[in-house]
Amino acid sequence: DQQVKQNSPSLSVQEGRISILNCDYTNSMFDYFLWYKKYPAEGPTFLISISSIKDKNEDGRFTVFLNKSAKHLSLHIVPSQPGDSAVYFCAASEDGGTSYGKLTFGQGTILTVHP
Amino acid sequence: NAGVMQNPRHLVRRRGQEARLRCSPMKGHSHVYWYRQLPEEGLKFMVYLQKENIIDESGMPKERFSAEFPKEGPSILRIQQVVRGDSAAYFCASSPRLYGYTFGSGTRLTVV
Repeated sequence: DQQVKQNSPSLSVQEGRISILNCDYTNSMFDYFLWYKKYPAEGPTFLISISSIKDKNEDGRFTVFLNKSAKHLSLHIVPSQPGDSAVYFCAASEDGGTSYGKLTFGQGTILTVHP
Repeated sequence: NAGVMQNPRHLVRRRGQEARLRCSPMKGHSHVYWYRQLPEEGLKFMVYLQKENIIDESGMPKERFSAEFPKEGPSILRIQQVVRGDSAAYFCASSPRLYGYTFGSGTRLTVV
């Protein structure tokens, strides 16, 4: 039962353009969402997060949008840079008071940014 | 302040042997999480520990797998009698509180 889904295994973008990575979830108890970036042979590194009480959170070139009614979130990277090439994971958590910060991850999307 | 240290980085075991994966959390971090990433999949939660206590092991296979986080020393994930299906990348994360994870670089276990 895949509760967090990233339906695009890969995405290719030209440098300077926008990258949009998508994520869908099925568990309506999820109320905190995160995006992680992962390079080969390294652990995931935290990028940006959003609480379910918001619909947008922005940090520099990265913006996360949350559509609770559609159970959908997206990560926008503008402008994209070759160094952004990595695997991006969407993750979700239920109420922090009961889930102890346990995360459910999507399968990941490989982003390639071409110079 | 060193990051989350996992060792070994690569571990090869024959079927039936034991695998021991170590995780030293960041200084001051009392929450440790273990995740497993099978090939072509996302990370799957295994277990959450605080010092000397297992808080949530709902993601751990019922047999052969165990985890500990002693008062002194690193957290250990132990897999007994390994099988080929245990081949995966095992990631540890630590946190001073809920969320705010820092992941280690992982241990890649190969069972031959």
